[in-house]
Amino acid sequence: GAGVSQSPRYKVAKRGQDVALRCDPISGHVSLFWYQQALGQGPEFLTYFQNEAQLDKSGLPSDRFFAERPEGSVSTLKIQRTQKEDSAVYLCASSTSFHEQYFGPGTRLTVT
Amino acid sequence: TQLLEQSPQFLSIQEGENLTVYCNSSSVFSSLQWYRQEPGEGPVLLVTVVTGGEVKKLKRLTFQFGDARKDSSLHITAAQPGDTGLYLCAGQNYGGSQGNLIFGKGTKLSVKP
Repeated sequence: GAGVSQSPRYKVAKRGQDVALRCDPISGHVSLFWYQQALGQGPEFLTYFQNEAQLDKSGLPSDRFFAERPEGSVSTLKIQRTQKEDSAVYLCASSTSFHEQYFGPGTRLTVT
Repeated sequence: TQLLEQSPQFLSIQEGENLTVYCNSSSVFSSLQWYRQEPGEGPVLLVTVVTGGEVKKLKRLTFQFGDARKDSSLHITAAQPGDTGLYLCAGQNYGGSQGNLIFGKGTKLSVKP
């Protein structure tokens, strides 16, 4: 079966541009998570959805970061007015239970 | 803030050697998970441990959860080049709206033939 997919795989943005990162979770997975992974670090939690409800957004680093999952399936992470410190790999994960999260390949964002 | 510390950060060994990676915290977790990540890919779940003192084996990999559920270890026997990768431990707490993973910084393992 298809796993979690993310697009684009690579994104280069000039400082100040807005970007949108897409996540297609495994079909039927209720929970969806976004993580940010800086170079040489472990992933850090950004936000969590259960169906279309955003239950936790405590990890979003600033109000420039916004995530949505309007129909409880595909999710989009949007970053407005990108800054160099936003450069990282953005990982999406989906799950049916708290025990197992299945990760996508990530989107590598580079802000120049 | 809950933190997980992994050690060592880097490990380079010869094929056939044994190794242990440690994951420590001052906080208690409901469960702890180990992932392996290869360059350009997302983390892949290896195992979940839930009960204090639990030991799980996956072929040449042995995972242990501390009695107090604050620490864990991953032991690899007779490492092979295919074991090369970034090993991440992640703690999780349940209840309410929580469920997000708290990751350590990872152990980058290189196994040379």
